[in-house]
Amino acid sequence: DSGVTQTPKHLITATGQRVTLRCSPRSGDLSVYWYQQSLDQGLQFLIQYYNGEERAKGNILERFSAQQFPDLHSELNLSSLELGDSALYFCASSVGARDNTEAFFGQGTRLTVV
Amino acid sequence: QKEVEQDPGPLSVPEGAIVSLNCTYSNSAFQYFMWYRQYSRKGPELLMYTYSSGNKEDGRFTAQVDKSSKYISLFIRDSQPSDSATYLCAMSARRGSTLGRLYFGRGTQLTVWP
Repeated sequence: DSGVTQTPKHLITATGQRVTLRCSPRSGDLSVYWYQQSLDQGLQFLIQYYNGEERAKGNILERFSAQQFPDLHSELNLSSLELGDSALYFCASSVGARDNTEAFFGQGTRLTVV
Repeated sequence: QKEVEQDPGPLSVPEGAIVSLNCTYSNSAFQYFMWYRQYSRKGPELLMYTYSSGNKEDGRFTAQVDKSSKYISLFIRDSQPSDSATYLCAMSARRGSTLGRLYFGRGTQLTVWP
């Protein structure tokens, strides 16, 4: 168990809908990273938050947004969902802002858009 | 051309075999190299972390980096059925921030049969 908790584990929703994925980092970790893993694209970095502030942005679509709350948990919001958004979404956390090479991953949320 | 190329396999070996997993990359700025193990329905777990060129050994696992050839390898000695998983390579030009984003290979699926 990495200590990073993601909910829900599975999510099935229809095209055009909006969903929220939640991540609780390991105790003491200030950085949260979001990744998308699909069969055709592999693991892609979406966005990083550090202590409530956006730190780095990767291949995140405009329909997606994230935030990190004062208690350090993070949410990834996906809207106007398309079939191609079906993927595993992982959250990872690390102590510092520059520790992306030493982050711990959660078990992921499997999103299926039908 | 993708930043990181990794043969997806699948690779199937008998217990006790030496396994060799490889990735190639195109960005000569990459300095940090990682191997992750991902069991089915789980998040990636950091196995090995290497900075710059050279070898690093940890138990049955050895990571090698050849920056001149832009080629990294992970060797697993005395492979066990519990090693059956998908192995992802990842690399980064620097730690942290936008410039330190991780680039992942697609992963190689390994099965070790008893």
